[in-house]
Amino acid sequence: DSGVTQTPKHLITATGQRVTLRCSPRSGDLSVYWYQQSLDQGLQFLIQYYNGEERAKGNILERFSAQQFPDLHSELNLSSLELGDSALYFCASSVEDSGRNGEQFFGPGTRLTVL
Amino acid sequence: DAKTTQPTSMDCAEGRAANLPCNHSTISGNEYVYWYRQIHSQGPQYIIHGLKNNETNEMASLIITEDRKSSTLILPHATLRDTAVYYCIVKGGGTSYGKLTFGQGTILTVHP
Repeated sequence: DSGVTQTPKHLITATGQRVTLRCSPRSGDLSVYWYQQSLDQGLQFLIQYYNGEERAKGNILERFSAQQFPDLHSELNLSSLELGDSALYFCASSVEDSGRNGEQFFGPGTRLTVL
Repeated sequence: DAKTTQPTSMDCAEGRAANLPCNHSTISGNEYVYWYRQIHSQGPQYIIHGLKNNETNEMASLIITEDRKSSTLILPHATLRDTAVYYCIVKGGGTSYGKLTFGQGTILTVHP
């Protein structure tokens, strides 16, 4: 158990819909990261927040957005869903913001299925 | 961050050492080598990292060559539970912040 929690575990929805994935980082961790893992693209970094502020962006689609709240939990919002958005979405957390710290603790993931 | 190259798959007998190689010939002086693994579809798990010296922890050892162009992750006594995809990641500081760039990794299968 990494200490990172993600809800829900599974999500099944239809194309065109909007969903919200939630992540609670480990106690004391200020950075939250979101990753997407699909069969054809592998594990891809989406976005990082540190203490409420956006820090780095990866290949995140414009239909996707995220935020980190004052209590440090984070939400990833996916809208206008397409079949290709079906994937595992992982949240990770770390203590620091620094690029030197690559030790991240991953949650169990949310499996999103778009029908 | 520098690109890494790993074998697609490897086998290992239970109880033997598993040696997983990684090439990172374009690594720069301030970049670290990180290893993660992913068991089935669970979240990736941090294993170990190093800059230039060899490192050891309770899970594994990391051997980095003197020129830092390659490294080897060693699981000293592999068990069936070590069957996983192992990712070698080179990561620096600066504007990459916390981003981890995962490649295809090595599928390690530990046999009884």
